[in-house]
Amino acid sequence: QVQLVESGGGFVKPGGSLRLSCAASEFTFSDYYMTWIRQAPGKGLEWVSYISGGSYSTNYADSVKGRFTISRDNARNSLHLQMNRLRDEDTAVYYCARVRVVGASLAHPTLTYYMDVWGKGTTVTVSS
Amino acid sequence: SYVLTQPPSVSVAPGQTASITCGRNNIGSKGVHWYQQKPGQAPVLVVYDDSDRPSGIPERFSGSNSGNTATLTISRVEAGDEADYYCQVWDSSSDHPYVFGTGTKVNVL
Repeated sequence: QVQLVESGGGFVKPGGSLRLSCAASEFTFSDYYMTWIRQAPGKGLEWVSYISGGSYSTNYADSVKGRFTISRDNARNSLHLQMNRLRDEDTAVYYCARVRVVGASLAHPTLTYYMDVWGKGTTVTVSS
Repeated sequence: SYVLTQPPSVSVAPGQTASITCGRNNIGSKGVHWYQQKPGQAPVLVVYDDSDRPSGIPERFSGSNSGNTATLTISRVEAGDEADYYCQVWDSSSDHPYVFGTGTKVNVL
């Protein structure tokens, strides 16, 4: 079935770097936007970044802009998040998720996007 | 920035109905999506575009959205429904387009 599996999490000191990966299977990976969502311990969900199917469009939360870079390899069905200059507040479980779109309607005059498939997550701990 | 307000917790007895609200000015103009997250697990989509259910989600889960409030309703609550629930919208006017609600813990008594 459709599956996303994250890897690459770990323990790192402030200022360090990590590269997260997400392996996708059982769907046409290049057809979908993908996103990273994180959840700090005991906290809610926070969007981190998204990337379009052909990598033409990316966006980042202000909290990670300039430090994190999202990328994808459609030939290998993989999504990545390069995280540099890590801070204590980046400590979280990081989820990759597939994005779906709903077209505009009379009820909702603009498009809307949601995440229909999530990986199990990978844990990033930043601490000295 | 766009803030979605949810009650921190809702308590409900088995077999009864739980209603979880998600509030924001004119949220009715946007499609609202809901996720269930059990302890130690990844979120799972339970309702999208206000009231549609993904395949495999029981009919007991339903949604509505009008005016300033969107609502996720869980009918005939079961012990297995105990979880955190998050609403989410996509805000096209924001630099941070994927906006999540503050989350609601559903406690099954």
